[in-house]
Amino acid sequence: GAGVSQSPRYKVAKRGQDVALRCDPISGHVSLFWYQQALGQGPEFLTYFQNEAQLDKSGLPSDRFFAERPEGSVSTLKIQRTQQEDSAVYLCASSLERIGFRETQYFGPGTRLLVL
Amino acid sequence: RKEVEQDPGPFNVPEGATVAFNCTYSNSASQSFFWYRQDCRKEPKLLMSVYSSGNEDGRFTAQLNRASQYISLLIRDSKLSDSATYLCVVISLISTASKLTFGTGTRLQVTL
Repeated sequence: GAGVSQSPRYKVAKRGQDVALRCDPISGHVSLFWYQQALGQGPEFLTYFQNEAQLDKSGLPSDRFFAERPEGSVSTLKIQRTQQEDSAVYLCASSLERIGFRETQYFGPGTRLLVL
Repeated sequence: RKEVEQDPGPFNVPEGATVAFNCTYSNSASQSFFWYRQDCRKEPKLLMSVYSSGNEDGRFTAQLNRASQYISLLIRDSKLSDSATYLCVVISLISTASKLTFGTGTRLQVTL
């Protein structure tokens, strides 16, 4: 399909383990977003890329979280030394243009991370 | 106070009923507004944008009240398939950057 894809769909990690979550946006989409969604909550903004440039990382909860999009397409969200409070669904979204006031975001299915 | 607030519900309504949700926002500089729908264990999907003049799409009507800083979603003739969580999204201009904020969502359960 032509939608946003994410992998893995599910990840179980032991506390202290590093994890890497991948996002494949819709081809040609300029903007890419990462969100964290805890159970029963709305998605919380983590970071935003315009092409390969990370323009906003104000939502990353700690320096254990790192995101990159080196070639302006695929993005990876890395969490180092995972903690139990990192357990959540991590959603990736992309949009055609730069972050705009009327721009639709298309979400991937998310990666469910469980830290034991 | 949260930047975007929604009543979490659940709203339990019978099929055919009309139901309305509100979403309040605190940043008066907010520029754009959207309603997304999220089914259980699925990703959010855009339902509709919210324009100042209000907009309608079939059984769904969205309204914006800038003076009182809230947006609303009205669903007429509810269907079982409307059961989902409805998330409001507010985009605000912070300096030269835009910020997206989701509400926590309002859960709707339509019953027979």
